[in-house]
Amino acid sequence: GEQVEQLPSSLIVQEGASVLINCSYTDSASVYFPWYKQEPGKRLQFIIDIRSNMERKQNQRLTLLFDKKTKHLSLHITATQPGDSAIYFCSAKGRTGNTRKLIFGLGTTLQVQP
Amino acid sequence: EAAVTQSPRNKVAVTGGKVTLSCNQTNNHNNMYWYRQDTGHGLRLIHYSYGAGSTEKGDIPDGYKASRPSQENFSLILELATPSQTSVYFCASGGLGYQNTLYFGAGTRLSVL
Repeated sequence: GEQVEQLPSSLIVQEGASVLINCSYTDSASVYFPWYKQEPGKRLQFIIDIRSNMERKQNQRLTLLFDKKTKHLSLHITATQPGDSAIYFCSAKGRTGNTRKLIFGLGTTLQVQP
Repeated sequence: EAAVTQSPRNKVAVTGGKVTLSCNQTNNHNNMYWYRQDTGHGLRLIHYSYGAGSTEKGDIPDGYKASRPSQENFSLILELATPSQTSVYFCASGGLGYQNTLYFGAGTRLSVL
């Protein structure tokens, strides 16, 4: 089945820095890739997504890049703030048949120091 | 925003006991999911449902049962709880189609002693 890998597993940056979180998946049938954020002690919340027919999507300080050929995604966060401190999850979802389930990576823990 | 409510928020159970985790959603979503979150394993899918009366096995269903008696409610049942089931459990709901956002509950922290 689908497997999703994220790197790095954790990172610490100073406020204002940019960060890059990498994600790779294995199943070429996956067509939808949402990302979720989990702040300490809180529920997961959707932050950005991309479909396999797109290469780039931006939402304010978040930019998501997608390379279908290499099965790789990267989430770029600019001008980080302490409020960005959270676990970021990449996920992948199939489109047809019995594949409505979302497979998550292990997460990347981001700590933004003031 | 869709509201997904889990109960209880915290639970301590004894080995061999029965545990029921409940989830209620008020956004009329067809799909509901149970995940567990463990350090080093991320989020893993236990069971999911396409609608009232349906349950499907996820990636780690062993030791768990699920029940979807209505559109709004989805329960996760541990008939014989074991210490390995100590974890944080998240319920989520989502609409139809492959491009639907999942809305998560706040989680249930379960400790099996």
